[in-house]
Amino acid sequence: GQSLEQPSEVTAVEGAIVQINCTYQTSGFYGLSWYQQHDGGAPTFLSYNALDGLEETGRFSSFLSRSDSYGYLLLQELQMKDSASYFCAVKGGSYIPTFGRGTSLIVHP
Amino acid sequence: DSGVTQTPKHLITATGQRVTLRCSPRSGDLSVYWYQQSLDQGLQFLIQYYNGEERAKGNILERFSAQQFPDLHSELNLSSLELGDSALYFCASSVGQGPDTQYFGPGTRLTVL
Repeated sequence: GQSLEQPSEVTAVEGAIVQINCTYQTSGFYGLSWYQQHDGGAPTFLSYNALDGLEETGRFSSFLSRSDSYGYLLLQELQMKDSASYFCAVKGGSYIPTFGRGTSLIVHP
Repeated sequence: DSGVTQTPKHLITATGQRVTLRCSPRSGDLSVYWYQQSLDQGLQFLIQYYNGEERAKGNILERFSAQQFPDLHSELNLSSLELGDSALYFCASSVGQGPDTQYFGPGTRLTVL
């Protein structure tokens, strides 16, 4: 089967940098994705890593180490609107997508 | 706006009943995924269709079924509803059947009383 572990909650102040970690176990691997979800809203795609290294998209960056089955999402210059849940997700060999339970990010002024 | 539409937005029904949720994917997307999200839970993958054919199946209950029609819209049928089926049901679409970006619809909130 497939499983992902990520912290349940992270808090930070406006303007700071925060890192949300994700470790995964999967048979076969087709990449690690990150999604953002505001309360009651739909998940929206943030980034995708298929290869090791850092992918940067504006204030958000995502990192993957396939040898460590580990990735993280880095959010810089935090804004109040970044308060949301963040999910890591993998697709394994069977193409079945598996999402983590989500990390609730709380940004304080 | 992701381009994925779902109807209805809210649904309130009683135990034992049957409901149908509808999803229209983004233009050009061939894959449709269905997910269930209960309170404070992650997204539980139910089933995926690609170009009308079932492509992958998650922990979908036997009481639940889905299909994708020739125009690529999809329906999720939930029958013999139980209180525990109350959840947000999301549909997502992607271009292919593999590990590409999924675009989520606004969801259908199902309440079973």
